[in-house]
Amino acid sequence: GPKVLQIPSHQIIDMGQMVTLNCDPVSNHLYFYWYKQILGQQMEFLVNFYNGKVMEKSKLFKDQFSVERPDGSYFTLKIQPTALEDSAVYFCASSLARTGGNERLFFGHGTKLSVL
Amino acid sequence: GDSVTQTEGPVTVSESESLIINCTYSATSIAYPNLFWYVRYPGEGLQLLLKVITAGQKGSSRGFEATYNKETTSFHLQKASVQESDSAVYYCALGGSAGNKLTFGIGTRVLVRP
Repeated sequence: GPKVLQIPSHQIIDMGQMVTLNCDPVSNHLYFYWYKQILGQQMEFLVNFYNGKVMEKSKLFKDQFSVERPDGSYFTLKIQPTALEDSAVYFCASSLARTGGNERLFFGHGTKLSVL
Repeated sequence: GDSVTQTEGPVTVSESESLIINCTYSATSIAYPNLFWYVRYPGEGLQLLLKVITAGQKGSSRGFEATYNKETTSFHLQKASVQESDSAVYYCALGGSAGNKLTFGIGTRVLVRP
């Protein structure tokens, strides 16, 4: 079936550095999402993105976070600067449409971010 | 805010036994919530198992069933006879916002013994 690929699977960085998490969504999908899961906690919505713009974001999407998908390439989540509390697994997802909130999302395997 | 509460795992069952994972929800920001079960099999990404968007309806997939009960705000997942291949982590989720934002439960790890 359709696959969402996330690169890398694990990233270790020092606090204060910048990090970019990459996501290769399903090829014909138009809507993109990032979710965050801290160890032992629920997966939580960060942001959704369509047509080059952030459509909706949660309070977890801090000012240090940004997303983009330049020219149909990777959908990226950038954190600059990183903080210890950013350590988590970040899941990318994509969907074909946004039909009233019942659209099927396709998720990647996640990128585990460790901020030291 | 919206929230989802589900059975804490791990849940261990033997092959051919029945399984039920409880899920209750609270939808404060969504007038007509949609309910989902997602599953993560070992080594794979999270994927949709089933969804129900109308209260009172039942969804089914791969032998699993869940009924959207608006009165009890529940969406329990059941299977009459599990197989070893059903070992996975199951997530109940609440959606229905225009932006497809999902609110997930914490996930229930299910281990099926051969």
